[in-house]
Amino acid sequence: NAGVTQTPKFQVLKTGQSMTLQCAQDMNHEYMSWYRQDPGMGLRLIHYSVGAGITDQGEVPNGYNVSRSTTEDFPLRLLSAAPSQTSVYFCASRARQGGNTEAFFGQGTRLTVV
Amino acid sequence: AQSVSQHNHHVILSEAASLELGCNYSYGGTVNLFWYVQYPGQHLQLLLKYFSGDPLVKGIKGFEAEFIKSKFSFNLRKPSVQWSDTAEYFCAVSPGAGSYQLTFGKGTKLSVIP
Repeated sequence: NAGVTQTPKFQVLKTGQSMTLQCAQDMNHEYMSWYRQDPGMGLRLIHYSVGAGITDQGEVPNGYNVSRSTTEDFPLRLLSAAPSQTSVYFCASRARQGGNTEAFFGQGTRLTVV
Repeated sequence: AQSVSQHNHHVILSEAASLELGCNYSYGGTVNLFWYVQYPGQHLQLLLKYFSGDPLVKGIKGFEAEFIKSKFSFNLRKPSVQWSDTAEYFCAVSPGAGSYQLTFGKGTKLSVIP
């Protein structure tokens, strides 16, 4: 059971480039989300999905797109990378609605935009 | 919307010292509470969680936390820290029902000196 798998682990982009961060989970979780982690800021929610075909914005959605075509996959797209998007990105999944389930996290993607 | 406040940004302790990390949340309804730990260079892992019942919950590696509803608090404790506890600790809250949203505090970095 792999849990939540993120790729790549590290990425360097030039300003203006686009890329997709991949996230896959094999636990059949309904809920998936993307966070960014910056020093002193904790984890901030970018986008989330409560099931295939359903996505919504979190706290800091600007500059990012998501889609959820399957239960397993939840890719995060950077449309035109900016230095402000330099961060560590974590994907997470949870089992079901109700709040009383823990979130499982991927290993993270460390993104640097130059 | 709920919010989480962690009082200490950085705590430095000597090995064998006792630890208490503060966490307060703001949300008027039933909540589920979590403490996650992030070891250097790694992803977030669940330390412990409170859903209902006994307000004193025990987690992995000798950690415990007490939910005090009247104070909207969920402080993390450990009687005797070890060098291997050096990590960043995040408190998180999720509404009791009907929501997947998991809101994190900004984290407390713990450094344990041998």
